[in-house]
Amino acid sequence: GQQVQQSPASLVLQEGENAELQCNFSSTATRLQWFYQHPGGRLVSLFYNPSGTKHTGRLTSTTVTNERRSSLHISSSQTTDSGTYFCAIDGTGGYKVVFGSGTRLLVSP
Amino acid sequence: NAGVIQTPRHKVTGKGQEATLWCEPISGHSAVFWYRQTIVQGLEFLTYFRNQAPIDDSGMPKERFSAQMPNQSHSTLKIQSTQPQDSAVYLCASSLQGSYEQYFGPGTRLTVL
Repeated sequence: GQQVQQSPASLVLQEGENAELQCNFSSTATRLQWFYQHPGGRLVSLFYNPSGTKHTGRLTSTTVTNERRSSLHISSSQTTDSGTYFCAIDGTGGYKVVFGSGTRLLVSP
Repeated sequence: NAGVIQTPRHKVTGKGQEATLWCEPISGHSAVFWYRQTIVQGLEFLTYFRNQAPIDDSGMPKERFSAQMPNQSHSTLKIQSTQPQDSAVYLCASSLQGSYEQYFGPGTRLTVL
């Protein structure tokens, strides 16, 4: 089945620094979504980005489908960006979603 | 739009008891998904409904777990004879017909003592 690898597993930044989170998947995915989860909170969709580049605020997602990778760039990080970021792709059989293990980000003031 | 609603937010059961978790999808969304999240296993797919019909339950443990969607406004996940290893956060998500973008509820944290 589909596998999703995220790196790094954890990241510590000083406020104001940029972050680059990576997602690699085992076979061509037609659907890719980035989520954010605050500790103890719900999963919030950041981007639905099966291909190309999308921006929202300080976040940029770039997916290169034929290279089986996606990245999430956070510019000028803030302490409120702290949490876990998940990459998820379609699993076999259609709608089923397979999640990566996440990147835990800590932004210190 | 209240988003996906899950109740209860926290549930504590004794080993061997039954637990029923509820999910109310976003109004108008025709697909409902259940996932389980633990520290060790991460996020795991359990089951999926489309237009109330069960489509894929390949992630559901074959014994003790069952899910239903009796109407378009709610789905339930029932765990019989709960075991400590069932302790997890159970997440429900919904999506629009034809869309793969999923919206998640806050989860139900189940603790089995």
